[in-house]
Amino acid sequence: GESVGLHLPTLSVQEGDNSIINCAYSNSASDYFIWYKQESGKGPQFIIDIRSNMDKRQGQRVTVLLNKTVKHLSLQIAATQPGDSAVYFCAEILSYNTDKLIFGTGTRLQVFP
Amino acid sequence: KAGVTQTPRYLIKTRGQQVTLSCSPISGHRSVSWYQQTPGQGLQFLFEYFSETQRNKGNFPGRFSGRQFSNSRSEMNVSTLELGDSALYLCASSLGTGGTEAFFGQGTRLTVV
Repeated sequence: GESVGLHLPTLSVQEGDNSIINCAYSNSASDYFIWYKQESGKGPQFIIDIRSNMDKRQGQRVTVLLNKTVKHLSLQIAATQPGDSAVYFCAEILSYNTDKLIFGTGTRLQVFP
Repeated sequence: KAGVTQTPRYLIKTRGQQVTLSCSPISGHRSVSWYQQTPGQGLQFLFEYFSETQRNKGNFPGRFSGRQFSNSRSEMNVSTLELGDSALYLCASSLGTGGTEAFFGQGTRLTVV
C-alpha cells in the first residue's frame, strides 16, 4: 500500500548532539525520497533528497541514508542547533511520471540547551 | 527568484459555503500539487496538475476540485464546506518532469465554522 511511517513522534536532543530521525516506507518501487522540515506557521521546507539508486547523500550538516533492503530511510543532523527545532517529514515519490508526494506522519525534534 | 505564493493566507468560512484558493508556482515550474494538512491526518495529497491537466488525484470527495491555467497558476475549490475541511492547504511547485524537488508555499489556513 501507499504509506510512509515514522518510528518516533517526538525526539528530544541536547544542543550540539547529533540527531537521527527514522522513517519506514512500504513501497519497494519508490524512486525518490525527500526530507522536509516544517516550522510552526510555515510550509514544509526542502532539506535533502536521495534517489533509489543511492544509499547515502550528504548536505550541509545533514546526511540521508537509504536502506532498500529493509525499506528504511534516516535523516542525520550533525551538531543539532536550536534552529533545528521543527517537525520533520519524510516523503516518497513512487515513479518518474509524477511529483506526487506520499508523506510520513512526522517527527517533532526538540532541541534543549 | 520568487517562491511559491499562496493566497489568501487565512480564511474563515461558514458550513455550506464554497471557497477558492490560489497558488502561483515558481517561475518555470509546470507542476502544481495540493495537500491538506490536519493534526489528525497529517499531510494528505489532494491532486497534481501538469500542463493544465490533472495528472493524479488523491482520495478526497468530489467537493474538492482544482484546475491549472496556461501560466501554471493553479486554483483549488472546495464546495459545500464541512467543519472537517478546516485545515492548512499547501501548494507545492515542481518542474514537472517527475521525481523532482517540490517547493511549498506558506499555505492557506482555512477555518470552517
